[in-house]
Amino acid sequence: QKEVEQNSGPLSVPEGAIASLNCTYSDRGSQSFFWYRQYSGKSPELIMFIYSNGDKEDGRFTAQLNKASQYVSLLIRDSQPSDSATYLCAVNIIKEYGNKLVFGAGTILRVKS
Amino acid sequence: GAVVSQHPSRVICKSGTSVKIECRSLDFQATTMFWYRQFPKQSLMLMATSNEGSKATYEQGVEKDKFLINHASLTLSTLTVTSAHPEDSSFYICSAQRTGYFGVNEKLFFGSGTQLSVL
Repeated sequence: QKEVEQNSGPLSVPEGAIASLNCTYSDRGSQSFFWYRQYSGKSPELIMFIYSNGDKEDGRFTAQLNKASQYVSLLIRDSQPSDSATYLCAVNIIKEYGNKLVFGAGTILRVKS
Repeated sequence: GAVVSQHPSRVICKSGTSVKIECRSLDFQATTMFWYRQFPKQSLMLMATSNEGSKATYEQGVEKDKFLINHASLTLSTLTVTSAHPEDSSFYICSAQRTGYFGVNEKLFFGSGTQLSVL
């Protein structure tokens, strides 16, 4: 079982719609979760992080976490063509030598105008 | 915001040569830096965790003698791909963790990446 799993997509949504991106993780002890956006040939940029169960909103973005189900999602409201990118879910995993961020394979989002 | 400079951004080399990639935190100290590799259309795979003044911790399956990591100061970590082969061609990305934020990855800043092409 992969540590972090995402549907690779592509997920296509029309401009102005809500895009819903999902992620599951295997380490029940994980405490912090991140969503990154990555454009082709570029390094990832952090969109949001979430630690507690429930929703966390930041502008058009809402992260949702359900630790019991080991599930984290990202909602993008009023999707814009500029939101088209690969979205990476990342989970912080604590190891004996420190912590490491494990990434999912990413979901390609395409917002059509 | 914090800046991590990664250099070079792109390198093309012949098979058998060695390539050094630098990762610098420009305006903060980074006790820990991470090196990732990303193949086309795949996710970032952690290669190793680099701690200032000590040996790097490599992930399973990553050859420590091939991918040499040096973290000699609080602002600089280097990754040297020794005797590079075409299968080493990939996008290499570093990230730096701001000192004092152990375990808190929102203080993790990424470099711009290095595209390595081995002919």
